[in-house]
Amino acid sequence: EDKVVQSPLSLVVHEGDTVTLNCSYEVTNFRSLLWYKQEKKAPTFLFMLTSSGIEKKSGRLSSILDKKELFSILNITATQTGDSAIYLCAVEKGNTPLVFGKGTRLSVIA
Amino acid sequence: DGGITQSPKYLFRKEGQNVTLSCEQNLNHDAMYWYRQDPGQGLRLIYYSQIVNDFQKGDIAEGYSVSREKKESFPLTVTSAQKNPTAFYLCASSIERGRSAEAFFGQGTRLTVV
Repeated sequence: EDKVVQSPLSLVVHEGDTVTLNCSYEVTNFRSLLWYKQEKKAPTFLFMLTSSGIEKKSGRLSSILDKKELFSILNITATQTGDSAIYLCAVEKGNTPLVFGKGTRLSVIA
Repeated sequence: DGGITQSPKYLFRKEGQNVTLSCEQNLNHDAMYWYRQDPGQGLRLIYYSQIVNDFQKGDIAEGYSVSREKKESFPLTVTSAQKNPTAFYLCASSIERGRSAEAFFGQGTRLTVV
C-alpha cells in the first residue's frame, strides 16, 4: 500500500526560528514529490522534486529529495507569522492522482 | 481569468439529504479530481476523471457519486449513504491525464451536516 508520512504533525515556533518539515514515502512507480502550502482554502504549490540531491529554493523556503532514502525535507528559515499554515507533501506515482500525507500544521508566534 | 470554481463555499444539509457540490474549470484540462479534507487527515481522494464520460473511484468513494458529461464540469454528489459527510471538499484539475503533479485547486466547499 502506498504511504506518505509527514512529521511532525504540528509545530509551534517563534518568529525568526528555522524549521524543518519531513516527508517520507513508500510508493510504486514514483515520478515526483510535491510540497504545498495551505493557509485557509486551496493548497498553493511550492516545489516539485524529481531528482535526488538537487535543492530547490524560493526565498526563505528550500526543499530537497533523497530518492535512495525515500525522503524529502522542507526548510523554512527566519520564519514569519505569515508562514503559519498546513504544509502538505504529495507524491505523484505512475499516471494516477497525487497521494497526500496528513500535513504538518505550522504555527509561528510573534 | 482561467481557474477552477467551486460552489457554494459553505453548505449546510440535513441528515438524510443528498447534496451536489459544483466544480467548473475553464483551463481546458482533461483530468479532474475530488478530495476530502478532515482535520489532521490531509487530502483523501474520492473520485477522479481522466477524460470526459469516464471516472474512477478513489480511496474513499463510498457514499459519493460523480459525473463527467462535459470537460469543464465535474460535480460531486454526497448521498445519504455517506455516514460522516461533514468535511472540507476540494476539487482539482490537471492539464493531461497522467500528470497529476500539474494540479490546480479550487477554493473548496465546506459541507456541514446539521
